[in-house]
Amino acid sequence: EQQVQQSPASLVLQEAENAELQCSFSIFTNQVQWFYQRPGGRLVSLLYNPSGTKQSGRLTSTTVIKERRSSLHISSSQITDSGTYLCAMERSNYNVLYFGSGTKLTVEP
Amino acid sequence: NAGVIQTPRHKVTGKGQEATLWCEPISGHSAVFWYRQTIVQGLEFLTYFRNQAPIDDSGMPKERFSAQMPNQSHSTLKIQSTQPQDSAVYLCASSLDLGENTEVFFGKGTRLTVV
Repeated sequence: EQQVQQSPASLVLQEAENAELQCSFSIFTNQVQWFYQRPGGRLVSLLYNPSGTKQSGRLTSTTVIKERRSSLHISSSQITDSGTYLCAMERSNYNVLYFGSGTKLTVEP
Repeated sequence: NAGVIQTPRHKVTGKGQEATLWCEPISGHSAVFWYRQTIVQGLEFLTYFRNQAPIDDSGMPKERFSAQMPNQSHSTLKIQSTQPQDSAVYLCASSLDLGENTEVFFGKGTRLTVV
C-alpha cells in the first residue's frame, strides 16, 4: 500500500506561473517534509512543516494533519525550479520518513 | 559542513559479487538512515541507527543485505551475492534525532549497477 500519495505526477508550467503540489497520507503523521531533487542530484530539504503554514522564499507549505494532507505552493516559478518534488511523512516517533512518488515539475521559458 | 558523504558515487558489480557502500553522517548527528531509490519503487526505507545501535531494519531485504555502524562517523551497507534487481541509488541520511520534528539531511547517494 502506498502510504503517501502525490499529485499531480507531472506538471508543466510557463515561467512565472504558480504551482500547487498536493500530498495525502493513508495514516496520521506528526511530521511532514518536502524535498527537491534534480535528476542524479541530492535530495534537498525544502520545508519542514508538521502542521499549519510555513513559508520559505517563494515556497509555501500548508499541512492539515487531521485531514492527512499537505500542499506545496511555488509562486512565480523559474526555469531552475524544474525537477522532482517529493513529499515525505514520518510514520512513527522517530525520524524514519516514507516518501511519495513525487511530482515532476518542468518550467518552460 | 560537507553534509552527508557517501562513497563510492558509482559502483558496478557482477551478478553474485559483494558490494559495500559507505556513509559518513554529519558530525554530531546521532541518527543514520539508509534508503534505496529506483524508478519503479521510488524511495524506500531500509534501516535506521540511533547512537550506532540498530533501531529499525524493517525495510531491509531479509537475505543478502546487512548494515553496520561501527562508530559514530561511518556506516556501511553490505549486499552479498548482488542481483540485477539490487540495482538502485542507495541513499544515506542523518539527523540530530531530537525526537519529533527533526530535519533529515541526505547524501548524494551511491548508484549501484549489477550487471
